[in-house]
Amino acid sequence: KAGVTQTPRYLIKTRGQQVTLSCSPISGHRSVSWYQQTPGQGLQFLFEYFSETQRNKGNFPGRFSGRQFSNSRSEMNVSTLELGDSALYLCASSLPHGRNTGELFFGEGSRLTVL
Amino acid sequence: GESVGLHLPTLSVQEGDNSIINCAYSNSASDYFIWYKQESGKGPQFIIDIRSNMDKRQGQRVTVLLNKTVKHLSLQIAATQPGDSAVYFCAEITGANSKLTFGKGITLSVRP
Repeated sequence: KAGVTQTPRYLIKTRGQQVTLSCSPISGHRSVSWYQQTPGQGLQFLFEYFSETQRNKGNFPGRFSGRQFSNSRSEMNVSTLELGDSALYLCASSLPHGRNTGELFFGEGSRLTVL
Repeated sequence: GESVGLHLPTLSVQEGDNSIINCAYSNSASDYFIWYKQESGKGPQFIIDIRSNMDKRQGQRVTVLLNKTVKHLSLQIAATQPGDSAVYFCAEITGANSKLTFGKGITLSVRP
């Protein structure tokens, strides 16, 4: 069974640009969450989607947005990039029970560098 | 407020010894507590969880202990191996929306 796939793995952008990251969950997983990981702040929750609906949202500005498609694949978008957006963006998928117990399956992340 | 934190940033153990990684939490209403392992260049990997109404749960070479009196969570790894070298995160799930909050990571280094 394939794991969670995130693309691209690495990308470099400049301030003011926008970026779209993609996540393909494990087959059968309908819940997808996104996290931002930085050395200073650790793992910060961005948002969660289930059946194309945003179910939870973290404390990030409106520049951060996401969506989920009918095949459970998800994308997140960051507009008007700032230097502080440089981070590893992680996607995780789970089954309904796993979502309630924290059994998430993470991808390897998309490493974003903003210059 | 909600916070999940770790007592120490790094832990170095000898191969074959047992490791104990500790975590403090502040939200007594959390439903589940979880340990994740993150190896270099990879995403976090679920290790084990424990429900708030339990005080101990064992997995393969790992044991999680929950002390709700002092709001303390620990992960014990038996016979630590080089492959156990990683950053370990504790996390908690709280509320009707099952909000997952991670603590700061602790690096486990295994000496050969």
